[in-house]
Amino acid sequence: GAVVSQHPSRVICKSGTSVKIECRSLDFQATTMFWYRQFPKQSLMLMATSNEGSKATYEQGVEKDKFLINHASLTLSTLTVTSAHPEDSSFYICSAGGGQGTDTQYFGPGTRLTVL
Amino acid sequence: GESVGLHLPTLSVQEGDNSIINCAYSNSASDYFIWYKQESGKGPQFIIDIRSNMDKRQGQRVTVLLNKTVKHLSLQIAATQPGDSAVYFCAETLNQAGTALIFGKGTTLSVSS
Repeated sequence: GAVVSQHPSRVICKSGTSVKIECRSLDFQATTMFWYRQFPKQSLMLMATSNEGSKATYEQGVEKDKFLINHASLTLSTLTVTSAHPEDSSFYICSAGGGQGTDTQYFGPGTRLTVL
Repeated sequence: GESVGLHLPTLSVQEGDNSIINCAYSNSASDYFIWYKQESGKGPQFIIDIRSNMDKRQGQRVTVLLNKTVKHLSLQIAATQPGDSAVYFCAETLNQAGTALIFGKGTTLSVSS
């Protein structure tokens, strides 16, 4: 299947700093990428839909100015958590779809963010 | 809120048993359904999918059943192995490019040998 990577896999930062997470589709072009957040023992919650070359679409309750998304190319989307706080600590997962002529979405390995 | 839910949060089975994980969805417009397996600290891994024009699909050791009448989805794992221990999520979406997935709450499968 298609491969999606994320970097970094784990990050620890101080409260108030910003953290950038990269999501890459390695062997296919992804017009659309999705960002999810997962708290412990919970399901994945969609944060935003990232479309190449246009503004991201955010889900209700997700602050667009806090979670900046950039989808500058068909293989890269970035999520920047600005002025991170401890409540932003979570597992952030991206997915990419539209490759290989199917609608199947492939997920990255996730990024564990811990804000101290 | 989530439109996809699961009946049981945990399922414990013995190695070699067959496992059945259930899922209920509420959006009758959803026409594409996927089962994912998630191991601790990792991203979801695609297991099997099914489109709404089918009611059954089989893979290697796994079968997905779709009952659109009652909006129910199930995942059957044959001869469950310890390596199958993980959290299983069902997800629904519209069969359109660029449409996000809506995930259910997840079922933790524990396989003892």
